Amino acid sequence: SQQGEEDPQALSIQEGENATMNCSYKTSINNLQWYRQNSGRGLVHLILIRSNEREKHSGRLRVTLDTSKKSSSLLITASRAADTASYFCATGIYNQGGKLIFGQGTELSVKP
Amino acid sequence: DGGITQSPKYLFRKEGQNVTLSCEQNLNHDAMYWYRQDPGQGLRLIYYSQIVNDFQKGDIAEGYSVSREKKESFPLTVTSAQKNPTAFYLCASSMGSATEAFFGQGTRLTVV
Repeated sequence: SQQGEEDPQALSIQEGENATMNCSYKTSINNLQWYRQNSGRGLVHLILIRSNEREKHSGRLRVTLDTSKKSSSLLITASRAADTASYFCATGIYNQGGKLIFGQGTELSVKP
Repeated sequence: DGGITQSPKYLFRKEGQNVTLSCEQNLNHDAMYWYRQDPGQGLRLIYYSQIVNDFQKGDIAEGYSVSREKKESFPLTVTSAQKNPTAFYLCASSMGSATEAFFGQGTRLTVV
């Protein structure tokens, strides 16, 4: 079963605009992570936010976590054509033997 | 260079054959994971392992088998019982349970 549901499934924006992707999940988690995947490649870790944190920044990335709503968002500011990729959220659950469960992903297209 | 290596990159299997996908890491990570990705879909967890000689089934383990005899190796066997094996297979490792994961470049398996 997929833990994370992402919204939107696809997003198309112009270079310089901000991109926001949302992730909802079903069960209690220990952390939530965001990954990026370029077509046909492996995933690259972007950022991890722990369940006791509400917001985290890394460069042009801003992640929020609302455990009461079981949701997270990823904001990419001042997007570039090179940001074009699929973005996935993943929930980390320690008490199930260290499961890392991924969502369906958001396909981001940034037009120059 | 430290990293995680999957081989082969492309694999063709005849119906009824078992095939084994290789995953090796030299990051000294305890945890390793296998995921399956279908076109336009998210990642689904097949098996995961937190320690040598121990592993757990993920959400779609039927038709697959794994072993974890060495810390650095986590091979996945796709058996003839897996009815629809054509997919992109991704291996990952992490230092601790459900923490930042590092991915290989994937193996694309096609049944011919």
